[in-house]
Amino acid sequence: ELKVEQNPLFLSMQEGKNYTIYCNYSTTSDRLYWYRQDPGKSLESLFVLLSNGAVKQEGRLMASLDTKARLSTLHITAAVHDLSATYFCAVDGAGNQFYFGTGTSLTVIP
Amino acid sequence: EAGVVQSPRYKIIEKKQPVAFWCNPISGHNTLYWYRQNLGQGPELLIRYENEEAVDDSQLPKDRFSAERLKGVDSTLKIQPAELGDSAVYLCASSPSTSGGRQKTDTQYFGPGTRLTVL
Repeated sequence: ELKVEQNPLFLSMQEGKNYTIYCNYSTTSDRLYWYRQDPGKSLESLFVLLSNGAVKQEGRLMASLDTKARLSTLHITAAVHDLSATYFCAVDGAGNQFYFGTGTSLTVIP
Repeated sequence: EAGVVQSPRYKIIEKKQPVAFWCNPISGHNTLYWYRQNLGQGPELLIRYENEEAVDDSQLPKDRFSAERLKGVDSTLKIQPAELGDSAVYLCASSPSTSGGRQKTDTQYFGPGTRLTVL
């Protein structure tokens, strides 16, 4: 079974700081997705990464994919309070089945 | 365009009682998923439908869980009887294409979920 690990699991950072969330997965896949989940809410799609070296940016978030290292990163630039949420990566396994990571709970402190 | 619709949003039942969840996917989406999300964890797939066919139900506890997707549109997920350990959020998601006709940018769109509490 494909395994997806994220780190850190919990992240508390000050506004204005930068940080990176890591997503490692255990088997070959060329599709990776990042989702955001606010407390009590459902998952919102952030990025779809479809090939080795793919980089996507939206506002203060930038995601990248290295399929050879089986690693994706979600970089946060100059964090603001509105970014506080739980972030999940998901890897597309065989047959369009998503395997989700454990999630990273991000708290941005004023 | 309406997103994925689920009902009810919340359900509290006593153990051994039955419960059912309903999902209406985004119009035109052929693939429908049911996930279970335990507190503090990522979603875990229970069953995936392509049109009306269940193509992956390996994670569905078949002794008590059942699902159907009549006419390849709406779907229901049922638990009978419910156990304490079934307390979780049940998420429905849909995507445009089936695995045989995958689009390069396919992603899954999630509904708001049903929070189940079994007492």
